[in-house]
Amino acid sequence: LAKTTQPISMDSYEGQEVNITCSHNNIATNDYITWYQQFPSQGPRFIIQGYKTKVTNEVASLFIPADRKSSTLSLPRVSLSDTAVYYCLVGDMDTGRRALTFGSGTRLQVQP
Amino acid sequence: DAMVIQNPRYQVTQFGKPVTLSCSQTLNHNVMYWYQQKSSQAPKLLFHYYDKDFNNEADTPDNFQSRRPNTSFCFLDIRSPGLGDAAMYLCATSRDGGDLATNEKLFFGSGTQLSVL
Repeated sequence: LAKTTQPISMDSYEGQEVNITCSHNNIATNDYITWYQQFPSQGPRFIIQGYKTKVTNEVASLFIPADRKSSTLSLPRVSLSDTAVYYCLVGDMDTGRRALTFGSGTRLQVQP
Repeated sequence: DAMVIQNPRYQVTQFGKPVTLSCSQTLNHNVMYWYQQKSSQAPKLLFHYYDKDFNNEADTPDNFQSRRPNTSFCFLDIRSPGLGDAAMYLCATSRDGGDLATNEKLFFGSGTQLSVL
């Protein structure tokens, strides 16, 4: 049973807002939702984390509905440098409910 | 700056020849992880150390071992590399928040790209 489900890929243009949604139907009460960004030949980098409602930082916003069964990473006004793979992680029974298991991720391609 | 450092950046080994990958951290985090990432795939957790306690993932081959001599360093040993072990190996750290915490954040190194000839 997949822990998280994301679109395999998305395309956008520079200056647009990009929203990537992640489904996590089996999220537990105490699970946080964490998003990472990975550029080619680099390790993943923490972007944002949230538990409910909305979280915003200098990089992105994270929207979490009341039932917490999904979350949406919002990247405002993307640039070419935002081309990367984006992963959402939630707690995982296989790792004692710690968010250590990466799903397939979403490959974002930003065009000029 | 506090960080996670992996050496070397690229490693070439021969089929069956033992190889060791290194990771060091200046974050003073108590948990260190090793992930394997093959081309166009997601990182896959191999094992992790919670302080000195070693935690192996159920499907990690016996060919992969790890050592953590102190808080700052962690090593990945591949005893007999096969062609299928060619991958990027990522080291990560986190500051564990306790048994019920899923809000930890992973800090990754840049990885070591392993080639097996």
